[in-house]
Amino acid sequence: KAGVTQTPRYLIKTRGQQVTLSCSPISGHRSVSWYQQTPGQGLQFLFEYFSETQRNKGNFPGRFSGRQFSNSRSEMNVSTLELGDSALYLCASSLAPASYNEQFFGPGTRLTVL
Amino acid sequence: AQKITQTQPGMFVQEKEAVTLDCTYDTSDQSYGLFWYKQPSSGEMIFLIYQGSYDEQNATEGRYSLNFQKARKSANLVISASQLGDSAMYFCAMRGGNNDMRFGAGTRLTVKP
Repeated sequence: KAGVTQTPRYLIKTRGQQVTLSCSPISGHRSVSWYQQTPGQGLQFLFEYFSETQRNKGNFPGRFSGRQFSNSRSEMNVSTLELGDSALYLCASSLAPASYNEQFFGPGTRLTVL
Repeated sequence: AQKITQTQPGMFVQEKEAVTLDCTYDTSDQSYGLFWYKQPSSGEMIFLIYQGSYDEQNATEGRYSLNFQKARKSANLVISASQLGDSAMYFCAMRGGNNDMRFGAGTRLTVKP
């Protein structure tokens, strides 16, 4: 079974631009979560989607948004990029958003904002 | 609110020895799951082991075991017979109720030959 895939793997943008990251979960998984990882802040939860609905949202500004499609694939968008948005963005999928379901992570998208 | 604490920023262990990585958590949920992940320098998060709050026995997965002490709210990861390939960041995480998964700050483990 294929793992979680994320595209693109690397991205370089300039301040003020916007970016869209994509995540394809493991087949059969309907829950997708997004995380931002930086050396200073560690792993921070962005949002979680289940059955095309945003279930939880972390403490991030409205510039960060996401969506999930009927095939469970998910995208996240960051508008008006800032230097501080440079980070590794990780996507994780699980069968459902339950406390007993482990999340499986993709390889991440490394975003650099210049 | 859920909180995960990993008090060891870095740990060293000799190859073939065992090592314990500490994790304490705080939650008001009765039902929750505890997870450990490994993140090598490549960046990908690798799931290692899971422990449910109602599980009476400590979870084990190969060389990994989870020392679960519910009353103390601790979920330490024990790696037996360390290998050079175990050098990585290790994250403890918890998920309860309708909450999202929360991660600790991580522990960087270095295995010495």
